[in-house]
Amino acid sequence: KQEVTQIPAALSVPEGENLVLNCSFTDSAIYNLQWFRQDPGKGLTSLLLIQSSQREQTSGRLNASLDKSSGRSTLYIAASQPGDSATYLCAVNNAGNMLTFGGGTRLMVKP
Amino acid sequence: DAGITQSPRHKVTETGTPVTLRCHQTENHRYMYWYRQDPGHGLRLIHYSYGVKDTDKGEVSDGYSVSRSKTEDFLLTLESATSSQTSVYFCAISDRAPGANVLTFGAGSRLTVL
Repeated sequence: KQEVTQIPAALSVPEGENLVLNCSFTDSAIYNLQWFRQDPGKGLTSLLLIQSSQREQTSGRLNASLDKSSGRSTLYIAASQPGDSATYLCAVNNAGNMLTFGGGTRLMVKP
Repeated sequence: DAGITQSPRHKVTETGTPVTLRCHQTENHRYMYWYRQDPGHGLRLIHYSYGVKDTDKGEVSDGYSVSRSKTEDFLLTLESATSSQTSVYFCAISDRAPGANVLTFGAGSRLTVL
């Protein structure tokens, strides 16, 4: 059974800092990995999708990397802003119709 | 979220009562999903649908049933709600097979079972 772990569970940084969120998974036979953002009381917004054949994806200040063989992904946020404060979740697709989610990292960016 | 609406957004009910949550989409997407989100467990798939009248179980389907009689509507029913089903429920849609496209999520339905 696939297990997805996100460390740290919570992170607080000052504005402007570059930061890295980590995601690890136990079964490397994946189709893809997605990073989502969730604001309090809201649904999930997809940020980046990395196919299993890709090493990284970039969108603006966000860069996600994937090392399938080691079962790891990182989400890099450059020049963090208070508006980046949210919970970030990674999800792995390795069984066709099921995403397995990590527990999330709750990020607080202080002005 | 644009194109996907969940109702009700909040519901408080008593143990043993039936509850139905509705997911309505205007995107004409083929695939629809119901997840629940709980502290310490992340999001877990309850049921999903790959077309009208075509549904299948997810990881935590016990105590839940679903129906999809139209492309745009996916209903999640708790026949007899229990306190363990207190959770936030999210509907998601996709226009391509899982793995080929991202999911779009609704805003969630918060259910409290007393």
